[in-house]
Amino acid sequence: ETGVTQTPRHLVMGMTNKKSLKCEQHLGHNAMYWYKQSAKKPLELMFVYSLEERVENNSVPSRFSPECPNSSHLFLHLHTLQPEDSALYLCASSPQPGGETQYFGPGTRLLVL
Amino acid sequence: SQQGEEDPQALSIQEGENATMNCSYKTSINNLQWYRQNSGRGLVHLILIRSNEREKHSGRLRVTLDTSKKSSSLLITASRAADTASYFCALQGGSARQLTFGSGTQLTVLP
Repeated sequence: ETGVTQTPRHLVMGMTNKKSLKCEQHLGHNAMYWYKQSAKKPLELMFVYSLEERVENNSVPSRFSPECPNSSHLFLHLHTLQPEDSALYLCASSPQPGGETQYFGPGTRLLVL
Repeated sequence: SQQGEEDPQALSIQEGENATMNCSYKTSINNLQWYRQNSGRGLVHLILIRSNEREKHSGRLRVTLDTSKKSSSLLITASRAADTASYFCALQGGSARQLTFGSGTQLTVLP
């Protein structure tokens, strides 16, 4: 147990659906991250938030919309996704942005039909 | 991009044997980290080695770093079936505050 929780753990959605992924960290960290992990590919950093302010956005399509209402919670809103968006979505946190060690949640396995 | 590349992509050994995984990179780094991921789960931080360090130990883990060759190795001694997982190196360095991960080595330890 790393102190970072993610819900739901599994999600199946159609291309016209709207869903949200939730991440919560209980570590008092100031930075939170969304990563995408596809089969046989390196982890891709999607977004970085520092004290609720987005500091990185790595050319992620607008169908992914992050939200950070406070330093403990991070959401990823999904709409009109494509089948190639099926992946494991991992949330992580660190004491500071660019912090040396990141603590990961268990991930949400997303399948887009 | 300062993504690390792990080698081998897959490794299968018998319980009790040692497992060695390597990571090579191309740019300067501040530190290099190793993470472990059990199937379909999140990553767990194992060990961090800074650019001015050459070797570090943590339990059955031994990490080396050769900045002249831009490479690192992770050694797991006396492996156990529970060590079966994917192992990733992650780089942090230069002006980038982000961690960049490689594709990982899939380790299978057979009982």
